[in-house]
Amino acid sequence: KNQVEQSPQSLIILEGKNCTLQCNYTVSPFSNLRWYKQDTGRGPVSLTIMTFSENTKSNRRYTATLDADTKQSSLHITASQLSDSASYICVVSATGTGGFKTIFGAGTRLFVKA
Amino acid sequence: DGGITQSPKYLFRKEGQNVTLSCEQNLNHDAMYWYRQDPGQGLRLIYYSQIVNDFQKGDIAEGYSVSREKKESFPLTVTSAQKNPTAFYLCATGTSGQETQYFGPGTRLLVL
Repeated sequence: KNQVEQSPQSLIILEGKNCTLQCNYTVSPFSNLRWYKQDTGRGPVSLTIMTFSENTKSNRRYTATLDADTKQSSLHITASQLSDSASYICVVSATGTGGFKTIFGAGTRLFVKA
Repeated sequence: DGGITQSPKYLFRKEGQNVTLSCEQNLNHDAMYWYRQDPGQGLRLIYYSQIVNDFQKGDIAEGYSVSREKKESFPLTVTSAQKNPTAFYLCATGTSGQETQYFGPGTRLLVL
């Protein structure tokens, strides 16, 4: 069964600290993996997209990693800011004879405290 | 958000009523999608359309209907057959296949 599991479910950190969010997936055949940031009551915004051959991708203070062998990804946030408080969603797409399929994780809720 | 508009932001529905959620885009994207988001769960695909006058059911299409008469518009109707419609509904667009999707601001539907 195609699944995307994210951990932790929620996380509280102090402003300025780093944190790492995890994403494990069983989706196959793998096409790409994306991380989105979703502010409360808003639509998700894309942070990174990685294909099978990419191990690391950075977008400002966000760095995503992908290990296609172990089917794991992480999102590292450096020097957190209050505005980083949001849900972070891992999304994995598969492609096969039935066409594309996109599986969304339930997200990690991040709270950054002053 | 950007070039995707969803309206209204909040919508109240009485039981037994049909309601229509609007999604308009000016990004010239061919593909449009409707998702439902419930607390503690990942987004679930309701319907998607990759070209005008064509659309496909997603994972949870029962109780919903859509139309795609124009490239810019992809309205979603929540019918009375949808027994648990209270949720946050997100419209998204994309350029092709399952590349990066761009999401609208969402509509929160509440059943009275």
